[in-house]
Amino acid sequence: GQQVMQIPQYQHVQEGEDFTTYCNSSTTLSNIQWYKQRPGGHPVFLIQLVKSGEVKKQKRLTFQFGEAKKNSSLHITATQTTDVGTYFCVGGAAGNKLTFGGGTRVLVKP
Amino acid sequence: DVKVTQSSRYLVKRTGEKVFLECVQDMDHENMFWYRQDPGLGLRLIYFSYDVKMKEKGDIPEGYSVSREKKERFSLILESASTNQTSMYLCASSSDRVWSPLHFGNGTRLTVT
Repeated sequence: GQQVMQIPQYQHVQEGEDFTTYCNSSTTLSNIQWYKQRPGGHPVFLIQLVKSGEVKKQKRLTFQFGEAKKNSSLHITATQTTDVGTYFCVGGAAGNKLTFGGGTRVLVKP
Repeated sequence: DVKVTQSSRYLVKRTGEKVFLECVQDMDHENMFWYRQDPGLGLRLIYFSYDVKMKEKGDIPEGYSVSREKKERFSLILESASTNQTSMYLCASSSDRVWSPLHFGNGTRLTVT
């Protein structure tokens, strides 16, 4: 079945630095969604990418969907303590099936 | 704003008990989902429903059942709770639009002793 892998599992970042988390699917996706879960909270929808090669920005967050629609990335610039949490990518495939990646837990060192 | 409400934030049950986890959404969403979240395993889909009285098995349905008698309510049932069902349970809903985002409840942390 479809698998969605996220790397790294943990990301330790110095406040102010940039980092990128990656999402790879075993199959071609129809779309990809990204969610953020704060510690003790529930996942909250951030963005959806549908087109091959699509790039979307939300303030300091840049999301990219690969040309082959099998991978995606989230890049955060100038990390802040408010960025702490776990970021999940969710791959959408045929039949409206959504598959969660394992998540990247982001820890920020002040 | 969509609100998905789970009946309990924390729940402690004994092995063998029948457990009901309730979820209600107020946005007239067609789709509802139950996930469990465990450290290192991410979110795994247990059951989902695209309509009233309809249910589909997710990736890990064993040991669980669901009920959707009304559109706004989706219940997860553990017929005979076991310690390996100790977990965080998350309910979510989405509209019928294809690839509509998921809206999650706050979760129920279930401990089975």
